[in-house]
Amino acid sequence: QVQLVQSETEVKKPGASVKVSCKASGYTFSRYGISWVRQAPGQGLEWMGWVSSYNDDTNYAQKFQGRVTMTTDTSTSTGYMELRGLRSDDTAVYYCARGLRDFEYWGQGTLVTVSS
Amino acid sequence: DVVMTQSPLSLPVTLGQPASISCRSSQSLVHSDRNTYLNWFQQRPGQSPRRLIYQVSNRDSRVPDRFSGSGSGTDFTLKISRVEAEDVGVYYCMQGTHWPWTFGQGTKVEI
Repeated sequence: QVQLVQSETEVKKPGASVKVSCKASGYTFSRYGISWVRQAPGQGLEWMGWVSSYNDDTNYAQKFQGRVTMTTDTSTSTGYMELRGLRSDDTAVYYCARGLRDFEYWGQGTLVTVSS
Repeated sequence: DVVMTQSPLSLPVTLGQPASISCRSSQSLVHSDRNTYLNWFQQRPGQSPRRLIYQVSNRDSRVPDRFSGSGSGTDFTLKISRVEAEDVGVYYCMQGTHWPWTFGQGTKVEI
């Protein structure tokens, strides 16, 4: 069965970087990209961007351009999302989801807390 | 960016009764490939989102048939024919036609 398993909770200081991983199993990794969505405490869902597992093409939300990098490692079927220059308002649960726009499968979420 | 507007934002429901959520987009969601990329997600408390409906009206295989989606262009609806206790949560629409993809604000369904 399809599974997306994300890395554990992170606590970071303002200005630091975080790299969240999303390990996929149960399907051919290169056939689907990985999308990233975040959810601030008590808030709604916010699309951050997408990375192709086939050729590493990316598309990022304007809001995150210059601060985010999404990559994949086909040898381990893992997607990564790195966010730099963390601020307190980056505190959120970060989810990965399979695909460009279908989002049929989601990871369990990774809480990233930014606090001094 | 395409703005997705859901209503209502809070929906008190009665078990066994129907419920309906509206989602409107600020521009047509018909893609150049003629598909309409409008998804519905359910998020139960403390859980990851779960897709219910894709491309307006296609229900996911594990989703009960009391859930249905309809609409076209800019107006879309998610209906629950008979609400059950496990349907409590927040429901989101999302468009995947125009970059960047955008979500509605969410509708909280509570008994």
